[in-house]
Amino acid sequence: QQQVKQSPQSLIVQKGGISIINCAYENTAFDYFPWYQQFPGKGPALLIAIRPDVSEKKEGRFTISFNKSAKQFSLHIMDSQPGDSATYFCAAPTTGTASKLTFGTGTRLQVTL
Amino acid sequence: NAGVTQTPKFQVLKTGQSMTLQCAQDMNHEYMSWYRQDPGMGLRLIHYSVGAGITDQGEVPNGYNVSRSTTEDFPLRLLSAAPSQTSVYFCASTKDGSSYNSPLHFGNGTRLTVT
Repeated sequence: QQQVKQSPQSLIVQKGGISIINCAYENTAFDYFPWYQQFPGKGPALLIAIRPDVSEKKEGRFTISFNKSAKQFSLHIMDSQPGDSATYFCAAPTTGTASKLTFGTGTRLQVTL
Repeated sequence: NAGVTQTPKFQVLKTGQSMTLQCAQDMNHEYMSWYRQDPGMGLRLIHYSVGAGITDQGEVPNGYNVSRSTTEDFPLRLLSAAPSQTSVYFCASTKDGSSYNSPLHFGNGTRLTVT
C-alpha cells in the first residue's frame, strides 16, 4: 500500500522558472514531511523538511507548502538553476517505527538554459 | 567523516549466486536501513535495524537477509540472486530514527545486475 503519491514523474523547467512538485499522503499520523534530493550516482540527501503544525517552510530558493486538510504537500523551487537538475523524493515516516521512511516515486527535474 | 560507506559500487551476478553488500557508518548512529531503488518505484525499504542485535523486515524483504553485530556495520545478503533483484541498493543511517531533527544519511549506493 503506497502511502505517499508523488507527481509529476518528470519535469522540465527553464532557468529562472519555478519548479513545483506535489505529494499526497494518506496517513494522518505522519509527524513530519521531508524532501530528499538525489544527483546521478549519489544517494539521496535531505533537502528540506516540514512539520504539520506549520503551513510553509522556506530555505533559500526552496519552499515546502503544506495543506493538512487536503493531505498534500509540495516543493517549490524558485529561480530554478541548472544545478537543481536532480531527482526529488517526498517522504513520510511510517507511524510508530524508527528509521522507516516511505518515499514517493520520485520526480526527475531538468532545468534548461 | 566518511559518513555511510557502501561497497562494492557495482556488481554483476548470475542467477543463483549469493553475495553480501557491505555498509558501514562512522557517525555512531543506532538506526540503519537498506532501500532498493527501481525506476518508477521510488525507494522501498528492505530491512532495518534499531541497534546492534536487532533487525526487522521492511516492505520488500523476500530474498534478503541482514544482521547487525556491531553499531557500525549492517550487511545485506542476497541468498540466491534473481533477475528481479537487479536494482540500486542504498544503505542509510540515522541517529535516533528518522525524526525531524535526525534525517536519514544515505550511502552512494551499489548498482547490482543479475543476469
